[in-house]
Amino acid sequence: AQTVTQSQPEMSVQEAETVTLSCTYDTSESDYYLFWYKQPPSRQMILVIRQEAYKQQNATENRFSVNFQKAAKSFSLKISDSQLGDAAMYFCAQTSSNDYKLSFGAGTTVTVRA
Amino acid sequence: GAGVSQSPSNKVTEKGKDVELRCDPISGHTALYWYRQSLGQGLEFLIYFQGNSAPDKSGLPSDRFSAERTGGSVSTLTIQRTQQEDSAVYLCASSPTGGGKYEQYFGPGTRLTVT
Repeated sequence: AQTVTQSQPEMSVQEAETVTLSCTYDTSESDYYLFWYKQPPSRQMILVIRQEAYKQQNATENRFSVNFQKAAKSFSLKISDSQLGDAAMYFCAQTSSNDYKLSFGAGTTVTVRA
Repeated sequence: GAGVSQSPSNKVTEKGKDVELRCDPISGHTALYWYRQSLGQGLEFLIYFQGNSAPDKSGLPSDRFSAERTGGSVSTLTIQRTQQEDSAVYLCASSPTGGGKYEQYFGPGTRLTVT
């Protein structure tokens, strides 16, 4: 079984500042994948960033980066230079190479203050 | 190219009625997934299709729920005798094939309200 925990229901950040969202996971698999999805009010889930467990280097995508701590089973998302368009619910998700379904955390709502 | 589309966008139905939700995956994607997003349960997996076959229906909450996929493309999720607890957003996703390394592309979802 795979479980994903997001302990921050809500986070608020000032425009242009940085915010970090926490995620921990649990899996018995050795080959797995971690994701951060963004869900704006339009409901469309958009992939923000992904991390392959076998890669030691933390993934980055423009202003988004992760801190992947494999031993601690932690996968946090950092949003730098926050923009108003970053306001959304963010979900951490996990799957393994021989699986297909995503297991999601409860989500963190990010509010960006102008 | 076109993304995953779902219809209707919103559906209000009376308790006890049947509803059909439709998903059009990205062209060429052989894997298709249904998820449900509700306030109480968060995001939960319902069913996975590889082609027209559903090797995993383990997430379907009851026998009132069924799904099919035809022509390796469009999928329909049917809920019979709807209950108020079925109220949720139903999300569909597709990927080039099944397997964790492939990104799942989501549709905008169908918001179902059972009155």
